[in-house]
Amino acid sequence: QVQLVESGGGVVQPGKSLRLSCAASGLTFRSYAMHWVRQAPGKGLEWVAVISYDGSKTYYADSVKGRFTISRDNSNNTLYLQMNSLKAEDTAVYYCAKEEAVASASNWGQGTLVTVSS
Amino acid sequence: QSALTQPASVSGSPGQSITISCTGTSSDVGGYNYVSWYQQYPGKAPKLLIFDVSNRPSGVSHRFSGSKSGNTASLTISGLQADDEADYYCSSFTITSTLGVFGTGTKVTVL
Repeated sequence: QVQLVESGGGVVQPGKSLRLSCAASGLTFRSYAMHWVRQAPGKGLEWVAVISYDGSKTYYADSVKGRFTISRDNSNNTLYLQMNSLKAEDTAVYYCAKEEAVASASNWGQGTLVTVSS
Repeated sequence: QSALTQPASVSGSPGQSITISCTGTSSDVGGYNYVSWYQQYPGKAPKLLIFDVSNRPSGVSHRFSGSKSGNTASLTISGLQADDEADYYCSSFTITSTLGVFGTGTKVTVL
């Protein structure tokens, strides 16, 4: 079955960087667009970024544009999120998810918590 | 992009049916048949219940159904059960963003 496992979260100071990874198994990874979605503590869900199946197209939320970079390694079935210039408001659980349909994601990972604090 | 509007909470008794609304605009919910619904338990990842307004992924109970009228989409849970108590989010494609937009979320309580 499809399994997505995020890693790389932790506590980081404002202005610093962090890279999240999402290891995929049980699916033909290179065939699917992939998403990062985040959820601040006690808050709702927010789309962060999406990457096409082949990595040629990437899209970002306005809140992270210019600071975050989504990428993928189809040979290693891994999705990444490089987060630079982190702010306190980036504190959230970050989920990776496989695109099911337009603006729809299935098979979410368990999430990884990023805390931005001095 | 503003979040889609959902009621903060909805409740019902076991066996009853409840409906959760998700209101947007003609730029998102009303303009496209790309509405999804998710169920989320505390501390857990969301689970896709409905995509493309009314389609259920395999394995999702037939007690969950989706529909849309104008700028408002709806999720109906029939035969309410105790383990339906969770948070529910809608999402939609939007012309104003290359990413989707989520709803504000609804907490369902089973009385």
